[in-house]
Amino acid sequence: DSGVTQTPKHLITATGQRVTLRCSPRSGDLSVYWYQQSLDQGLQFLIQYYNGEERAKGNILERFSAQQFPDLHSELNLSSLELGDSALYFCASSQSGRVDEQYFGPGTRLTVT
Amino acid sequence: DQQVKQNSPSLSVQEGRISILNCDYTNSMFDYFLWYKKYPAEGPTFLISISSIKDKNEDGRFTVFLNKSAKHLSLHIVPSQPGDSAVYFCAASEGRNTPLVFGKGTRLSVIA
Repeated sequence: DSGVTQTPKHLITATGQRVTLRCSPRSGDLSVYWYQQSLDQGLQFLIQYYNGEERAKGNILERFSAQQFPDLHSELNLSSLELGDSALYFCASSQSGRVDEQYFGPGTRLTVT
Repeated sequence: DQQVKQNSPSLSVQEGRISILNCDYTNSMFDYFLWYKKYPAEGPTFLISISSIKDKNEDGRFTVFLNKSAKHLSLHIVPSQPGDSAVYFCAASEGRNTPLVFGKGTRLSVIA
């Protein structure tokens, strides 16, 4: 158990819908990262927050948005969902923002039908 | 444009033998490299890393080798154990505080 929690574990929804994925970082960790793993793909970095502020942005679609709240939990919002958005979404956290200190959650599996 | 490539989707090794997982990269700005291990239904866990100022880093049964001129790194596991069966991801970054770029992973099966 990494100490990073993600909810829900599984999500099935229809095209065009909007969903919110939630991540609670390890106690004391200030930085949260979001990754997408599509079928047969490596993990693609989406976005990083550090202490509530956006720190880095990857190939995140405009239909996706994220935020980190004052209690440091983070949410990833996915809207106008398409079939291709079906993937595993991982959240990771680190105390200082160093990549070698990232601890990953178990992921949320999103299925868009 | 895949900057980090793991060309072997899968690898099978006998228990007790050496497992060698390979990774190639194209971005010459990468200076920090990591390996992650992933079991089913779990998130990736950090295994070992190496910075570009080194060519080798060891941690127990795990050794990572970096060949900067060839833009190639490899992970050696000796001796391999059945519990090592997992998907291994290679990742790289342009510094310890910049986002990681991952390969697609190699599924290692260690056969007893």
